[in-house]
Amino acid sequence: AQKVTQAQTEISVVEKEDVTLDCVYETRDTTYYLFWYKQPPSGELVFLIRRNSFDEQNEISGRYSWNFQKSTSSFNFTITASQVVDSAVYFCALSEARGGTASKLTFGTGTRLQVTL
Amino acid sequence: KAGVTQTPRYLIKTRGQQVTLSCSPISGHRSVSWYQQTPGQGLQFLFEYFSETQRNKGNFPGRFSGRQFSNSRSEMNVSTLELGDSALYLCASSHRGGLAGDEQYFGPGTRLTVT
Repeated sequence: AQKVTQAQTEISVVEKEDVTLDCVYETRDTTYYLFWYKQPPSGELVFLIRRNSFDEQNEISGRYSWNFQKSTSSFNFTITASQVVDSAVYFCALSEARGGTASKLTFGTGTRLQVTL
Repeated sequence: KAGVTQTPRYLIKTRGQQVTLSCSPISGHRSVSWYQQTPGQGLQFLFEYFSETQRNKGNFPGRFSGRQFSNSRSEMNVSTLELGDSALYLCASSHRGGLAGDEQYFGPGTRLTVT
């Protein structure tokens, strides 16, 4: 069965610090997809990134970067120079392609990030 | 493009009643998925609809059901409400859904409180 673990329940940083959110996943499929979502206090999940299992290239988007390592089954998310607006709960999610089930996202428990001035 | 919309945003119901929640996907998206979010269980997949057919289903009792209309709008229904059904219900839409692991875009959710 697929599983996503976000061991960090809550992280507090001061603005401008860099912060890394960890995500470890388990799956028996060779084809799968990994996602990160942000949930601000308003409640709406905001899509940040999708990666498929064949694309281990790291990605950078502005202050955000993602490190995907199949060898350790990890898909970590780093925010550089954090800002107060980054305060939210961040979810890592996994879906498997087997049997057309790629729409079914399995979420981790989330990491609450608090950025203070 | 307008995002995913969900109505109502807040709902208070009594145990034993039933409730219907509505979701309008992003224009052009044909897949709609539903998720339940609670503090204890986190985010859990309920079901996915594509072209008016349920394509995937999570591990929820039969009291939870849904449907999708020809315009891709979806509704979910919960019958015989229990206190444990209090949750934020999130709807997500994607272009192709389960075929290719498309990114899913979520609506603001409906917060259901059962008293």
